[in-house]
Amino acid sequence: GQQLNQSPQSMFIQEGEDVSMNCTSSSIFNTWLWYKQDPGEGPVLLIALYKAGELTSNGRLTAQFGITRKDSFLNISASIPSDVGIYFCAGPRSQGNLIFGKGTKLSVKP
Amino acid sequence: KAGVTQTPRYLIKTRGQQVTLSCSPISGHRSVSWYQQTPGQGLQFLFEYFSETQRNKGNFPGRFSGRQFSNSRSEMNVSTLELGDSALYLCASSLGQVRQETQYFGPGTRLLVL
Repeated sequence: GQQLNQSPQSMFIQEGEDVSMNCTSSSIFNTWLWYKQDPGEGPVLLIALYKAGELTSNGRLTAQFGITRKDSFLNISASIPSDVGIYFCAGPRSQGNLIFGKGTKLSVKP
Repeated sequence: KAGVTQTPRYLIKTRGQQVTLSCSPISGHRSVSWYQQTPGQGLQFLFEYFSETQRNKGNFPGRFSGRQFSNSRSEMNVSTLELGDSALYLCASSLGQVRQETQYFGPGTRLLVL
């Protein structure tokens, strides 16, 4: 079945660093979504992508819909402490329900 | 506009009991989807309701059920609870007019089964 492979699984950031993560699938998606989840809360939608090749920004966040429609990328520029959390990519199945990657956990470097 | 609300936020139950969780979607949204989140399996789709009808269903046993009311509020029920049902249960709402619409999540209900 459809699976979303998200990498890296975890990463440590230092304030001011840029961060990149990606999501790949063996199947084509017509929409890519990026969510962030803080501990004990539900995922919050960050960016939605609807067209292959689309590049969309939301503040310091930029996401791209891969041309093959099988991947997507999320970049965070000049990271700040409140960026820590778990970032999920998601794509809708034909029936409409979302499938999610396993998440990329962002932590602050000790 | 108020977001998706879920009650209760936390629940502790024992094996064999049943539990009912509630979700109120964003005003004007008619589709409500439920997801289970566990550390091992991640986020998994349970079911979706639209206009009081189940429109889509994930791969969960029949102990998991749901319903939707005429005001689009939804409940999910888990009967005969098992330890493995401990999870964060999330609901998400969307307008429901088109499949593959963007979904907005509530804060979740944390269920612990002892």
